[in-house]
Amino acid sequence: QVQLKESGPGLVQPSRTLSLTCTVSGFSLTSYGVSWVRQPPGKGLEWIAAIWSGGSTDYNSALKSRLSISRDTSKSQVLLKMNSLQTEDTAMYFCARSIITLGYYVMDAWGQGASVTVSS
Amino acid sequence: DTVLTQSPALAVSPGERVTISCRASESVSTGMHWYQQKPGQQPKLLIYGASNLESGVPARFSGSGSGTDFTLTIDPVEADDTATYFCQQSWNELTFGSGTKLEIK
Repeated sequence: QVQLKESGPGLVQPSRTLSLTCTVSGFSLTSYGVSWVRQPPGKGLEWIAAIWSGGSTDYNSALKSRLSISRDTSKSQVLLKMNSLQTEDTAMYFCARSIITLGYYVMDAWGQGASVTVSS
Repeated sequence: DTVLTQSPALAVSPGERVTISCRASESVSTGMHWYQQKPGQQPKLLIYGASNLESGVPARFSGSGSGTDFTLTIDPVEADDTATYFCQQSWNELTFGSGTKLEIK
């Protein structure tokens, strides 16, 4: 059974760095990619970053300078770091299993999300 | 960025046919996918590659389109389909539409 579970600090002060962990089960990080997607309260979805089965990475160009995505395959974990946090980074952060099918990048399984509030 | 435009909301009665549209600001070929998000839940993949039904998704859901204009159809609609539906393109840097909130009367 494919499962993804996000974990994080909940509350982060402005200008600090956010660290989120996605722990997966039911599949291998060496066979599938994982993406991060966020959703501000009451708003739409924004793709943040992805790490692929071979270890290569992709970033949202608007956020790239603030982001780092990495993985620990021995722990089945994907790590996201975002620095210089502002109040507009307040959102639910989802991780999702990512595959390339028919030549297209889709997210076929999602975690329940981790709520992040940026506030002093 | 490729901007995806969706109508904000629709309301239909159970048993009816509903179409949800998504227009891209530039061609994405058939690189359009659809997700369902119920209140308080994570998104769920419904359709990929414009018209391919994800495994386990009821055949009431279908997708069509290519280039810049895409449609998600639900026929017939059921009460459980109350949700927000997002389109997502992966032809260019990945972006989502703003979502269409579907209400079942």
